[in-house]
Order: sequence, then C-alpha cells, then structure tokens
Amino acid sequence: QKEVEQNSGPLSVPEGAIASLNCTYSDRGSQSFFWYRQYSGKSPELIMSIYSNGDKEDGRFTAQLNKASQYVSLLIRDSQPSDSATYLCAYPFTGKLIFGQGTTLQVKP
Amino acid sequence: DAGVIQSPRHEVTEMGQEVTLRCKPISGHDYLFWYRQTMMRGLELLIYFNNNVPIDDSGMPEDRFSAKMPNASFSTLKIQPSEPRDSAVYFCASSLAGGWGDTQYFGPGTRLTVL
Repeated sequence: QKEVEQNSGPLSVPEGAIASLNCTYSDRGSQSFFWYRQYSGKSPELIMSIYSNGDKEDGRFTAQLNKASQYVSLLIRDSQPSDSATYLCAYPFTGKLIFGQGTTLQVKP
Repeated sequence: DAGVIQSPRHEVTEMGQEVTLRCKPISGHDYLFWYRQTMMRGLELLIYFNNNVPIDDSGMPEDRFSAKMPNASFSTLKIQPSEPRDSAVYFCASSLAGGWGDTQYFGPGTRLTVL
C-alpha cells in the first residue's frame, strides 16, 4: 500500500496569518497531487492540483511540490475563519486516489 | 448539474439488518468510487467501477459488503448483515477519467449508524 502522511492537527492560526499544511508520500513515481477541503459534516471538494515540481498559485492558495523530498504542501495566505476545515492531500495510484488522514485547520478570529 | 446524488442521507439500523446505500453519478462520468470515512481510519476507498465494471474491490472489508453498478447512472453498496463497526459516513464519488489526474466529485454522503 502506498502511504500518504499528514499531521492530523488541529493546526490553529490567527485570522490573517499564513497556514501551512504538509504532506509526505512514499511513492517516488507519483506525478500529480491533489488537495481536497472538507468542511465539518460535508463531503470533500477539490481545491488544488499540482503536477510538477515548484509552486502553483490560485488566489490565496499555493501548492508546493518537491518530488526529490517526496513532499507536498498547501499554503493559505490571509487565512479566514471560513478556511477552517480538514484538508486532505491525495495522489493517484493505479486508477484510484490515495488519501492522507487529513489536517484539521482552525482559523481564529 | 445535480452533482452526485446519494440516498439515504442518514440511516439508522440494528445489528444484523441489511443496509443498501444508493448512488447516482454525474451524467457522463465513467468512473464511480465508494468510500468510507471514520475518525479512526480516515477516508478509505472500498471499490471503484469503470464503465459499470468493478475494477478494484480490494478495499471492501469483508464478504458482508457488496457493490453493484447495473447501469451508468446507478450503483448500490450493500451490507448484509450489518455490524456496529460498520457505522461511518459512506461517500460515493464520480469522475471522467479515474484517479489519473482527474477531479473526483463527491456526493453528500450517507451517515450510517448500526446499533
């Protein structure tokens, strides 16, 4: 089984700060990664995907991929209370997505 | 677009009873996934279908679980007999191109409680 490791948190940051969520993976062959956000009581939804080394920015969100270190992260700038959720990283393996356990983010006003 | 539809949204049953969960994927999506989510184990893939054919059922916990997809617009996940440890939220998801870089769209989930 290919593994994905995330710190379950909770990660608590004040409103307006940068939240940094991290994920490590064991499959060196992974070519793409996804970040899903899941609000409490709701279903996961895709917020970011990244396919190559480096950074990908989308609004307040930046995904960073370092294949050499087998490390992917999600930065949320100017964190808002509405960003409070669980963030799941995932990568594809044999036609399916392997999900991490998720990191719970709490943004305090 | 209605998104992925699941029913029922909540199910409470007693141990030993049969439970059937239903899913309607997004029209045109060729892949359908069944997941189970618990606090202890996180989000686990149970089984997935491509063009109505089961491709990987290695995540199905035991013979009490079965899944079918009789046509492109309907799938069921059945648990018989149910046990308290089956209590979880069950999600159905669909996508155009499987896990290979394509977005999976999740349904609202079915919260199952087995007493």
